[in-house]
Amino acid sequence: KAGVTQTPRYLIKTRGQQVTLSCSPISGHRSVSWYQQTPGQGLQFLFEYFSETQRNKGNFPGRFSGRQFSNSRSEMNVSTLELGDSALYLCASSLSQGPNEKLFFGSGTQLSVL
Amino acid sequence: AQKVTQAQTEISVVEKEDVTLDCVYETRDTTYYLFWYKQPPSGELVFLIRRNSFDEQNEISGRYSWNFQKSTSSFNFTITASQVVDSAVYFCALRRTQGGSEKLVFGKGTKLTVNP
Repeated sequence: KAGVTQTPRYLIKTRGQQVTLSCSPISGHRSVSWYQQTPGQGLQFLFEYFSETQRNKGNFPGRFSGRQFSNSRSEMNVSTLELGDSALYLCASSLSQGPNEKLFFGSGTQLSVL
Repeated sequence: AQKVTQAQTEISVVEKEDVTLDCVYETRDTTYYLFWYKQPPSGELVFLIRRNSFDEQNEISGRYSWNFQKSTSSFNFTITASQVVDSAVYFCALRRTQGGSEKLVFGKGTKLTVNP
């Protein structure tokens, strides 16, 4: 069974640009969540989607958005990139959205903003 | 607010030593879940264990063991006879059970280096 797939693995962008990251969950998983990982702030929750609906959102500006498609694949978009957006963006999937659900993570997309 | 503290930023041991990673959490909830994840250099977090707040039994899985003490709000992780392959960053995390879908709150992680 294939794991969580995130593309691309690496991205280099410049300030002011926008970027779209993609996440394909494990087959059969309907919940997808996104986390930002930086050396200073650690792992921070961005948002969670279940059945194409955003169920929860972290404390990030509106420049960060996401969506989920009917096949459970998810994308997140960051507009007007800032230097501080440089981070590893991790996607995780789970069967459902319960609090006891194990999350299965992808290897992440390393975003560098110059 | 939920908070997870991993006071040990980095730990370095020699192979075959035992090592304990500390995790202290804060929550006002009476029910919650605690998790440990491992992040190897490849980047993806790997699930290790889940513990319900009502279940204070310690757990052992091979060389791994977990000590959950609700009275001290701690959920410590011990690796017995460490191996080089255990080198990774380990994260403790907390998730509420109330209020519907809730985010996973992570500690800052402990980087473990096991030297041959």
